[in-house]
Amino acid sequence: NAGVTQTPKFRVLKTGQSMTLLCAQDMNHEYMYWYRQDPGMGLRLIHYSVGEGTTAKGEVPDGYNVSRLKKQNFLLGLESAAPSQTSVYFCASNQRWTGELFFGEGSRLTVL
Amino acid sequence: AQTVTQSQPEMSVQEAETVTLSCTYDTSESDYYLFWYKQPPSRQMILVIRQEAYKQQNATENRFSVNFQKAAKSFSLKISDSQLGDAAMYFCAYRIPLTQGGSEKLVFGKGTKLTVNP
Repeated sequence: NAGVTQTPKFRVLKTGQSMTLLCAQDMNHEYMYWYRQDPGMGLRLIHYSVGEGTTAKGEVPDGYNVSRLKKQNFLLGLESAAPSQTSVYFCASNQRWTGELFFGEGSRLTVL
Repeated sequence: AQTVTQSQPEMSVQEAETVTLSCTYDTSESDYYLFWYKQPPSRQMILVIRQEAYKQQNATENRFSVNFQKAAKSFSLKISDSQLGDAAMYFCAYRIPLTQGGSEKLVFGKGTKLTVNP
């Protein structure tokens, strides 16, 4: 069972470069989320989606954009990367009305 | 604002002993979920245990159990017979079910690093 898959797992960017993180889930979940994890900060919600074609801002959305063109995919974009965006990014998904999140393995992004 | 506080940045326990990780949260909602997630060095987030706020009975999963005190807004995790594989970061999380027209509220604590000594 693949579950939630994130690509790439690691990436190094230079300041100002752009990139997209891809999240794919094969559980037919309606809800998908992008979090970032920083030392001593826990997980903070960046953006989320409650269904295909919908997105919403979370706690720390600035500097990121997202798209949910297909139900199984949730893309996180950085248009102009900054060193403050160096972090580990987690994608998660769950079904409507349930609490448990299913997480991907994380993507470590370093911005130089 | 909803917040989750884990007051113990680090904890240690001897193998086979019992340890309790604390978590408090702040909310005005009456219906919500609480979770403990484990994150080993592999970075994978693994659900340990969940509790629905409307259930008075404390959740239990094998060696893991919670002490849910709704009035006190406390949700501690007890690990019995600790094993070396229990060493990880543990995150307490609070979630309000998403409702029509509402906004998602999923808040994590900052985590407690658990070390298990052989």
